[in-house]
Amino acid sequence: QKEVEQNSGPLSVPEGAIASLNCTYSDRGSQSFFWYRQYSGKSPELIMSIYSNGDKEDGRFTAQLNKASQYVSLLIRDSQPSDSATYLCAVNPTGNQFYFGTGTSLTVIP
Amino acid sequence: DTGVSQDPRHKITKRGQNVTFRCDPISEHNRLYWYRQTLGQGPEFLTYFQNEAQLEKSRLLSDRFSAERPKGSFSTLEIQRTEQGDSAMYLCASSLVVVDTQYFGPGTRLTVL
Repeated sequence: QKEVEQNSGPLSVPEGAIASLNCTYSDRGSQSFFWYRQYSGKSPELIMSIYSNGDKEDGRFTAQLNKASQYVSLLIRDSQPSDSATYLCAVNPTGNQFYFGTGTSLTVIP
Repeated sequence: DTGVSQDPRHKITKRGQNVTFRCDPISEHNRLYWYRQTLGQGPEFLTYFQNEAQLEKSRLLSDRFSAERPKGSFSTLEIQRTEQGDSAMYLCASSLVVVDTQYFGPGTRLTVL
C-alpha cells in the first residue's frame, strides 16, 4: 500500500466551476498535510498546509482534513484556466520524511 | 532572489559518467531535502539534512548516490557511474525544523544517454 494515494485523473472542469481533488494516506499518526501545484516542467509550488481536522481556506482554495477517515481534499472555487496543472498531495508522518502522491492532473476548460 | 536555487538546471551526460548537483536553500532554513521525480510520478524522497547532519536516507537509494552539506548551508548530490534509469528531475527543498513547510527549488533535469 502506498503512503499517499491520489486519483491521477485527468480531471476536467469548466471555467468558473469548483474542482475537487482528493487524497488518502496510510499512516494514521500523520500530523502534517500539504497541497502543491506543479506546472509541466516546473517544480512543485506550495498551495496550502493543514494540520487540524476541518477546513482551511485561502482565497479560492480550501483544504479539508479528516484524520479519522485518513482523507485530505482540496477544493478550488471559481476555477481558472491558469489553475490547469498537476496537484500533489504530501504527507509528513514522522516529522522527517515527506511522502507525495502521484498527483492529479487538472484541466480547466475555458 | 531569496528562494531555493539549484545548479545546473539541465545536465546531459553519458552513461558511466559522474555528475554533481548543487542546492542553495533559503538562507535561514536548517533542513534540506533531495527528491527525484520522473514523469507521471510524485517526488520521491532521497535524503535530508538538518544543518550539516544527514539524518535520513531512502532505503531505495543506490550506493552510487551520495549527498553532502558540509557547512550546513548549500548541499551537493553526486551520482557516480550514471545509468539511463537515473534520468529524472532532481529536486531540492528546504524548510525550518519548527515549521515543516517545504519550499522547492527549480530542479535539475538530468538526461543520461
